[in-house]
Amino acid sequence: NAGVTQTPKFRVLKTGQSMTLLCAQDMNHEYMYWYRQDPGMGLRLIHYSVGEGTTAKGEVPDGYNVSRLKKQNFLLGLESAAPSQTSVYFCASSPLGYFSTDTQYFGPGTRLTVL
Amino acid sequence: AQSVTQLGSHVSVSEGALVLLRCNYSSSVPPYLFWYVQYPNQGLQLLLKYTTGATLVKGINGFEAEFKKSETSFHLTKPSAHMSDAAEYFCAGGGYQKVTFGIGTKLQVIP
Repeated sequence: NAGVTQTPKFRVLKTGQSMTLLCAQDMNHEYMYWYRQDPGMGLRLIHYSVGEGTTAKGEVPDGYNVSRLKKQNFLLGLESAAPSQTSVYFCASSPLGYFSTDTQYFGPGTRLTVL
Repeated sequence: AQSVTQLGSHVSVSEGALVLLRCNYSSSVPPYLFWYVQYPNQGLQLLLKYTTGATLVKGINGFEAEFKKSETSFHLTKPSAHMSDAAEYFCAGGGYQKVTFGIGTKLQVIP
């Protein structure tokens, strides 16, 4: 099993450009999450999904959109990138997620720089 | 809503010394608490978690944490630090459909 994979690993964008980050998991997990990690701020939840075809906003959703058309994939889109979106993005998945007792399994991260 | 506070963004210990990383939580519902570790340029991985039952939780790599309801704490300890323990450690609290992470504590191990 590959676990949770993220594509790409690194990306540099210019302000106003768009891009999509892909997260894939092969563990048949129901729940998937997108976080951003910034120095001194820990991990902040952007969006999450409780199953195929569902998405919900997290703590910092502005400027991002997500889709979960297939259970194994969770896409994060930036429609018009801004320098404030420079960050490391992590995808995670968990089997059930109810009351969040489940372990989350993280991908290796995508380092995004917006110039 | 569940929230966690990690005391100390950087902690330095000598190799072989006790590791103590502090985490306090606040919640109006029974807490579900986690410690994750992040090695450089990697994603997070679970060290240990508390859901119900025994309040002393043992995890991987010799780490353990004790849930203390009276102190609303879930501190992470390891009796003897190893160089390979140098990493960033995150305390997290579970709530409905999501987990809230602390800001992280970077552990430096001095030879």
